[in-house]
Amino acid sequence: AQSVSQHNHHVILSEAASLELGCNYSYGGTVNLFWYVQYPGQHLQLLLKYFSGDPLVKGIKGFEAEFIKSKFSFNLRKPSVQWSDTAEYFCAVLQDTGRRALTFGSGTRLQVQP
Amino acid sequence: DAGITQSPRHKVTETGTPVTLRCHQTENHRYMYWYRQDPGHGLRLIHYSYGVKDTDKGEVSDGYSVSRSKTEDFLLTLESATSSQTSVYFCAISESGQGPGELFFGEGSRLTVL
Repeated sequence: AQSVSQHNHHVILSEAASLELGCNYSYGGTVNLFWYVQYPGQHLQLLLKYFSGDPLVKGIKGFEAEFIKSKFSFNLRKPSVQWSDTAEYFCAVLQDTGRRALTFGSGTRLQVQP
Repeated sequence: DAGITQSPRHKVTETGTPVTLRCHQTENHRYMYWYRQDPGHGLRLIHYSYGVKDTDKGEVSDGYSVSRSKTEDFLLTLESATSSQTSVYFCAISESGQGPGELFFGEGSRLTVL
């Protein structure tokens, strides 16, 4: 079974700091990759997605992620975080497109201090 | 707005009692999912449905059953609740016009089993 690893469980940054959250997946075949965000007290929302093509994907709110196939990675980045980015971030992978069911990582809690 | 409603939003029950959580969608989306969210585990797939009366197991299906007799409703049943099933349960749908893996989540149902 495929798995998704998020090595940073809790990250604390000051506003304007740069952000990079790691995500690695285990499946070696074709995958679709996603980052979801969960703001405090809310449900998950899609942040960005990668299906194919340009490995550098841009999402909402200034976030981007880079797919590196050789490293089985899909790290999330943002050049300058804001207090409003405080949330939990989940990486997810879709291996079997027929099933359309995501496998999620354990999440990274980001705390941005003003 | 994907029009997803979960009920109940909060429930406290005792070990051994049956519990049913309901997910209702206002659109005729084919794919529906039940996930549970637990600290340190992210979201884990319990069951999913790809049409009326068509369901399949996810990675943590033991102790849970589902039913989908109508397109708009996806029910999750705990036949005999245990304390390990204390969790936040999220329903999600995949809109037919979106790519696979692009999920829209409900607000969640917080279940406490005493």
